Amino acid sequence: AQSVTQLDSQVPVFEEAPVELRCNYSSSVSVYLFWYVQYPNQGLQLLLKYLSGSTLVKGINGFEAEFNKSQTSFHLRKPSVHISDTAEYFCAVIRHNFNKFYFGSGTKLNVKP
Amino acid sequence: NAGVMQNPRHLVRRRGQEARLRCSPMKGHSHVYWYRQLPEEGLKFMVYLQKENIIDESGMPKERFSAEFPKEGPSILRIQQVVRGDSAAYFCASSSGTSGSPLRSYNEQFFGPGTRLTVL
Repeated sequence: AQSVTQLDSQVPVFEEAPVELRCNYSSSVSVYLFWYVQYPNQGLQLLLKYLSGSTLVKGINGFEAEFNKSQTSFHLRKPSVHISDTAEYFCAVIRHNFNKFYFGSGTKLNVKP
Repeated sequence: NAGVMQNPRHLVRRRGQEARLRCSPMKGHSHVYWYRQLPEEGLKFMVYLQKENIIDESGMPKERFSAEFPKEGPSILRIQQVVRGDSAAYFCASSSGTSGSPLRSYNEQFFGPGTRLTVL
């Protein structure tokens, strides 16, 4: 079975500071990895995904993530956050050739002025 | 191209009533997925459907919940005799099929805005 752990339920950070949101997964088979963002009372928007190739993945809004197979991690980073980045972020995995996502419990990023 | 549409966006029901949630996939998509997000939790898979077929319902509660995706019209998630614990956001996603190499493929899923169900 797959599971996704987001250790930090809330991350407060000041505007223009760097941020890292942590994601670890466990799986006995190969998976694809994703980060989604959810603004209040809205649906999920895809930030970035790792399917194969380079382990450093760049996404929208200046976010990037690095796939580390040995540590089974896929941490999300941004060098300088903006107030508008305040939202909840979800890490998710999906098994190769399967169709359902396994989501982490989410990390609320609160960017303060 | 319109995205995935869900209605209603907000639904209030009293205990014991029925809730019907609708999902219209993106144009050209024939695969639909339903996820539930309980308060303060991540999304949990419920069911995966293709037109007129349930492919995977391993995440559906055994009782009171059902889903369909008819040949014509939207996908429907139906909850009978709702209880307070059913209060959650229900998200639908759709996909067109697989992408990537045949041996390592996945269906890119596009999510709708969700229906927020409140049971009084």
